[in-house]
Amino acid sequence: DGGITQSPKYLFRKEGQNVTLSCEQNLNHDAMYWYRQDPGQGLRLIYYSQIVNDFQKGDIAEGYSVSREKKESFPLTVTSAQKNPTAFYLCASSLGPRKPQHFGDGTRLSIL
Amino acid sequence: DQQVKQNSPSLSVQEGRISILNCDYTNSMFDYFLWYKKYPAEGPTFLISISSIKDKNEDGRFTVFLNKSAKHLSLHIVPSQPGDSAVYFCAASLLYGGSQGNLIFGKGTKLSVKP
Repeated sequence: DGGITQSPKYLFRKEGQNVTLSCEQNLNHDAMYWYRQDPGQGLRLIYYSQIVNDFQKGDIAEGYSVSREKKESFPLTVTSAQKNPTAFYLCASSLGPRKPQHFGDGTRLSIL
Repeated sequence: DQQVKQNSPSLSVQEGRISILNCDYTNSMFDYFLWYKKYPAEGPTFLISISSIKDKNEDGRFTVFLNKSAKHLSLHIVPSQPGDSAVYFCAASLLYGGSQGNLIFGKGTKLSVKP
C-alpha cells in the first residue's frame, strides 16, 4: 500500500536536546512538506521541498532543520533553538502544486 | 493576519440532515482550494478540491461551492452521518509565485453529527 509513514508516533525530548522526526513516502511524490499543529490552530508550514536536494523555509522555520537527500525521505530536526517544540507534527507529500497533499498520521512531540 | 478563516469553531447537526461548513479568504490570488477531514491523533485526509475556474465541485455526499466575488467557499455534506464527525479544515493555495503549491490552512471547524 502506498502512503506516508511518520515515526515515532510519540516522542519525548529533554531540554536542550535535538530530536529528529522521520517521514518516508512511497507515493513517488516530488514535493514534501512539514507542518506543525497546536491545539485549536490550523496547520502551519515549517519547511517544504519541491525536489530532491532542495528545500525552502515555510512560515515558522526558526529552530527547525530539514534535509532531502532522497525522494522518499524528508526528516525534520527540532533543535534546542526551538523554544516551544511541544506540538503535533505532520508530514505531507504531493505530486505537484495543483495536486492535493497527502498526510502521514503525525508525531506528537512533548518536552520532559 | 489570517488569510484563511473558518469562523465557526464547531457545528452540530442531526444525522441525515445537511452540514454546511464555511470558509472565507482574504487573498484574491488564491486559485485552488481544498477541504480536509481530520480525526484526533491522525493526519488530515483529503476530501475534495476546487479550482478558481469553477464554482462547484461534487463528489458523492460532498459538494464544495466557491464564490470568488465574496472570497467564500463552503462544504456541503448531504446526508450527514455520525462517521462524518471530525474537524474539517479549509485550505487555499497560489498557483504562481515562489510558494506555489503551499497550502494555507484555516483553524478548522469541529463537526458533530448526532444520531
